[in-house]
Parts: sequence; C-alpha cells; structure tokens
Amino acid sequence: SQQGEEDPQALSIQEGENATMNCSYKTSINNLQWYRQNSGRGLVHLILIRSNEREKHSGRLRVTLDTSKKSSSLLITASRAADTASYFCAVVGNRDDKIIFGKGTRLHILP
Amino acid sequence: DVKVTQSSRYLVKRTGEKVFLECVQDMDHENMFWYRQDPGLGLRLIYFSYDVKMKEKGDIPEGYSVSREKKERFSLILESASTNQTSMYLCASSPEALPRSPLHFGNGTRLTVT
Repeated sequence: SQQGEEDPQALSIQEGENATMNCSYKTSINNLQWYRQNSGRGLVHLILIRSNEREKHSGRLRVTLDTSKKSSSLLITASRAADTASYFCAVVGNRDDKIIFGKGTRLHILP
Repeated sequence: DVKVTQSSRYLVKRTGEKVFLECVQDMDHENMFWYRQDPGLGLRLIYFSYDVKMKEKGDIPEGYSVSREKKERFSLILESASTNQTSMYLCASSPEALPRSPLHFGNGTRLTVT
C-alpha cells in the first residue's frame, strides 16, 4: 500500500515550542500533501511537495521530503494554541490517480 | 476561496431509511469525491467523479451510490442505511485531475444511523 503513515499518533507540546510530525510511505510517489483538520471540521490543505522537491515552506510550516527513505516531515515552528488539530499526510502514487490519506497525528498545544 | 458546502452538519436516520448527503462546490471544479472518516481507520474513499454523469468506485463503495447531474453538485446516497454506516462523511473537490491538485474539503456531515 502507498498509504502514508504518520508518527507519532499523538503529540502534546507547550505553546511556543516546535512540533514535528513524520510520514512514511511504501511506494514511489508523484507528490505528498499535508492537511490539517480541526475537531469536527473538514480537512484543510497545507502544503503539496512533489517528488523532485526536497523542502517547502509556508509561513511557520516547513515540509521536507526524502524519497530515498520514503518519508516526509512537517515542522510547525513557534506553535500556538490555534495549531491544535489533527494533521494528515496524503500520498499520490505514480501508478494511479488516487490520493491515499494516513490516519493522522493529533497535535495538542498546551498553554 | 473555494467553497465546498455540505448540506447538513449532523443527521440522524433510522436503519433502512434512504439517505441523501448533498455536496455543492462553487469553483467549477471537474473532480468531486466522497470520503468517510472513522476513528482508527482514517479517510476512506467511497466514490469519485471526474465529470458530470460520470462516477467511479473508490475503495469502499458497497452500500452507497452517487449522483452527479450537474457539475457543481455531487450527492451520496445510502440506499438502505445501516448502523455500520454511522460515520463522518466528507466531500471534496479539485480543479484538475489528480495528482496535480490538492483537495478542497467541506466541513463534513456526521451521520448517525440508529
């Protein structure tokens, strides 16, 4: 399966600290995407990184991709209470048009 | 901004009822998707559509059907609701064929079947 798997499943950190979440997958990919989901809401797209890219930034978010290790990481710097949410990685394989979501990391920012 | 609107945030239905979940997007997107989300199982694709009147089965289509009569509207139908279809249902759209574009999600419909 090309499904991305996030690690850790849950993470609690103090406000102001950095949060790092990881995603691993099994097959070759076209791109990998990160989404955020606030409790009881839909998913919001954060960043898309293509297989030929190694790093992308968006505000306080930094995503890296290591295709040799089949892994990606999402770093949130200077975390805020509003960052409390679940974060999902989703992989799009080279062989089909499907986007497959992982089960997510639940991030809790402590005041 | 793209807006994907799901008609109901919460629904409670009885076993055996026919249930319609409606989704409308306002950005002329070609592609629309229905997922269900369950604790421990993540998001699973039920059906998707790349064009009007076109539909493709996802990973878990059993017990569901869909309708796309107009480009902006994609309906999910539970022909005879069962308790194992209690779940959060998420609709999404994208402007072009995967894998180029991210998905835009609605806020979800939490369906309870009793």
